[in-house]
Amino acid sequence: QKEVEQDPGPLSVPEGAIVSLNCTYSNSAFQYFMWYRQYSRKGPELLMYTYSSGNKEDGRFTAQVDKSSKYISLFIRDSQPSDSATYLCAMSLNTGGFKTIFGAGTRLFVKA
Amino acid sequence: DGGITQSPKYLFRKEGQNVTLSCEQNLNHDAMYWYRQDPGQGLRLIYYSQIVNDFQKGDIAEGYSVSREKKESFPLTVTSAQKNPTAFYLCASSTISRDEAFFGQGTRLTVV
Repeated sequence: QKEVEQDPGPLSVPEGAIVSLNCTYSNSAFQYFMWYRQYSRKGPELLMYTYSSGNKEDGRFTAQVDKSSKYISLFIRDSQPSDSATYLCAMSLNTGGFKTIFGAGTRLFVKA
Repeated sequence: DGGITQSPKYLFRKEGQNVTLSCEQNLNHDAMYWYRQDPGQGLRLIYYSQIVNDFQKGDIAEGYSVSREKKESFPLTVTSAQKNPTAFYLCASSTISRDEAFFGQGTRLTVV
């Protein structure tokens, strides 16, 4: 079993839809949770960074962490074609990125 | 502009050849990392460095080597011992106190 599981998709939605992206994990010691967006042939860019459980909102993006279920989510409201990318979840035990584990990524297509 | 610069963007390697991928950052970050990305897999850590003149092996270090002579630079050499080097290579950096990694645009290495 992988430490972090993420559905590879692809996920295809119409413009304006609410998108839900999810990851599950097995190590209950993870404390820091991140979402990255990666456009084709580009490096990942950090979207959201959260510590422990709870919600965090930034514009159209909301990150949610449920440590009791070992489940994290990223919601995208009013999705746009420019949101079409691969979304990677990541999590770590403590500070120092050498302990960060990445999911394989979910490919998202937003149709105009 | 602050950021991470990787070069070249595309690189072709012949069998038995060593090649070096460049990574430079002007974010004043202490920590730097090299990841490998293959289709359908999460990012896998090759090497990381938290301070000049010191670096540690990640999960898949065999066939790779690095140096950290300057804070800004963390080049990766893919040696002939790496039997399956075709992949997308990503360099990243972060502060020591937070896990938010900032990535370069990647180098796509292909064996010909």
